[in-house]
Amino acid sequence: GQNIDQPTEMTATEGAIVQINCTYQTSGFNGLFWYQQHAGEAPTFLSYNVLDGLEEKGRFSSFLSRSKGYSYLLLKELQMKDSASYLCAVITSGTYKYIFGTGTRLKVLA
Amino acid sequence: GAGVSQSPRYKVTKRGQDVALRCDPISGHVSLYWYRQALGQGPEFLTYFNYEAQQDKSGLPNDRFSAERPEGSISTLTIQRTEQRDSAMYRCASSLRVPGGSTDTQYFGPGTRLTVL
Repeated sequence: GQNIDQPTEMTATEGAIVQINCTYQTSGFNGLFWYQQHAGEAPTFLSYNVLDGLEEKGRFSSFLSRSKGYSYLLLKELQMKDSASYLCAVITSGTYKYIFGTGTRLKVLA
Repeated sequence: GAGVSQSPRYKVTKRGQDVALRCDPISGHVSLYWYRQALGQGPEFLTYFNYEAQQDKSGLPNDRFSAERPEGSISTLTIQRTEQRDSAMYRCASSLRVPGGSTDTQYFGPGTRLTVL
């Protein structure tokens, strides 16, 4: 079966660093995405990993280990506007459909 | 430029009625995806198209759900004989290229909030 696990909720302080983990078990693997979704809005793209290692983009970095079925999203210098849900999604092999995790709701406190 | 649009944004219907939800992808985008999203959950895959061809419909819950994209652009998700359990946010997303070859972001639409009474 297809399974993507993320923590349900996390809390962090403004200016801090937070790491959101994602583990997956899917029928094949063709890449992993992280999306941000503010309450009541559509998901928006943050990052994409297909090879092992770290991808850095400004305050956001994403890491992938395919052998461990594991990824994390690292958010640095947290701002209040980073309060949102963060969705991990895997592209499966075969028909290349996207499977999303349930999302991690991040609260950034002043 | 224009993003993905969906209509209607809100739909209230009575149990047993048919509904048609429309998705207008970003111009030139090849792939189009339909998802259902419950409150506090991630998007749940329903089906997707490359051009006009439906590639995978394994996520459609049952045969009351169908989707089409006859000209490779606008898509319609139809739910026949709606039931209360069909109430959810239905989201559409599009991407520029066929998936699998390279980094290819999905751009999501604002969704249609369906309520079945």
